[in-house]
Amino acid sequence: TQLLEQSPQFLSIQEGENLTVYCNSSSVFSSLQWYRQEPGEGPVLLVTVVTGGEVKKLKRLTFQFGDARKDSSLHITAAQPGDTGLYLCAGGSNYQLIWGAGTKLIIKP
Amino acid sequence: EPEVTQTPSHQVTQMGQEVILRCVPISNHLYFYWYRQILGQKVEFLVSFYNNEISEKSEIFDDQFSVERPDGSNFTLKIRSTKLEDSAMYFCASRAGQGTEAFFGQGTRLTVV
Repeated sequence: TQLLEQSPQFLSIQEGENLTVYCNSSSVFSSLQWYRQEPGEGPVLLVTVVTGGEVKKLKRLTFQFGDARKDSSLHITAAQPGDTGLYLCAGGSNYQLIWGAGTKLIIKP
Repeated sequence: EPEVTQTPSHQVTQMGQEVILRCVPISNHLYFYWYRQILGQKVEFLVSFYNNEISEKSEIFDDQFSVERPDGSNFTLKIRSTKLEDSAMYFCASRAGQGTEAFFGQGTRLTVV
């Protein structure tokens, strides 16, 4: 069974700080996606990483796919209150996505 | 920008009643999915659909559930006899192909009373 473990489960930091959240698995994924979800809404795709070692940047967000394509990280620089939300990683498998449980991020002004 | 749309946004139904949740995937996508998320819990896979048939389903997707693509644009999830524990957000998603991004609808909040 393929599993994705996200850590930390919950993170509360002050505006301006940097943070990293992790998505780890013992399985190899063909692709890995990061989503952000607001309460009562569907997950919104942030980025897809496909190649081992790939790094993608989205403004203050930096996403990295591990060399072995088993893990990924999301780094936020100078976090802002607008970054508050649930961050989910999902690994591409044959016919479905395997989901992590998410990291709930709160950025305090 | 193309998007996945779901209707209704919120449905309240009595236990034992049938419900149909509707989704319009992105038009050139070939893979379709239903997921659910019970309040405060993890997103759970229900079923995937490709080439007009179910390609994979989870243990949650029992005989009470069915999916259909009746007209080439809509993708529906039917729950035949709802139970209290079916209360959740139901998300439809579509992908152009394997290994590509999945795009999600805004979800239907199903409340079974």
